[in-house]
Amino acid sequence: KAGVTQTPRYLIKTRGQQVTLSCSPISGHRSVSWYQQTPGQGLQFLFEYFSETQRNKGNFPGRFSGRQFSNSRSEMNVSTLELGDSALYLCASSLEILDNSPLHFGNGTRLTVT
Amino acid sequence: KNEVEQSPQNLTAQEGEFITINCSYSVGISALHWLQQHPGGGIVSLFMLSSGKKKHGRLIATINIQEKHSSLHITASHPRDSAVYICAVTNYGGATNKLIFGTGTLLAVQP
Repeated sequence: KAGVTQTPRYLIKTRGQQVTLSCSPISGHRSVSWYQQTPGQGLQFLFEYFSETQRNKGNFPGRFSGRQFSNSRSEMNVSTLELGDSALYLCASSLEILDNSPLHFGNGTRLTVT
Repeated sequence: KNEVEQSPQNLTAQEGEFITINCSYSVGISALHWLQQHPGGGIVSLFMLSSGKKKHGRLIATINIQEKHSSLHITASHPRDSAVYICAVTNYGGATNKLIFGTGTLLAVQP
């Protein structure tokens, strides 16, 4: 079974631009969650999608948004990029909602904002 | 005070030693996860616990719900165990910060 796939692996953007990251979950998994990892703040929860609905959202500004498609693939969008958005963005898929299922992580997208 | 605290932050061990990493939390949880992250970023889920004890190979994870504490043990440690170990809790009933992470324990196992 293929693992969680995140694209692209690396991305360089300029301050003020927007970016879209993609996550394809393991086949059959219905929950996709997104995380930001920085040296200063560590890992932080962004949001969780289950059956195309956002179930939970972390403490991030509205510039961070996401969606989930009917095939469970998910995208995350960051608008009006700031230098502080430079981070490793990870997604994880699970069979059911976050409360009930182990997580399977992708390898991440490393975003650099200049 | 962080809602999930790990100790120690850094740990150096000799090959073959028994290792313990601790995690304490202050919120109500649905489950607790132990994760392993190697340099380069990839994260692997080692355990998901809601009670008791789980064992996988040389790894053992325990949780005490009453004391809000979990431990990850590595028996007969090996240099390939060198990684960052992260404790995370699924926040019961939380609509925000659904998954809360500890700051991680950097483990180096020397041959």
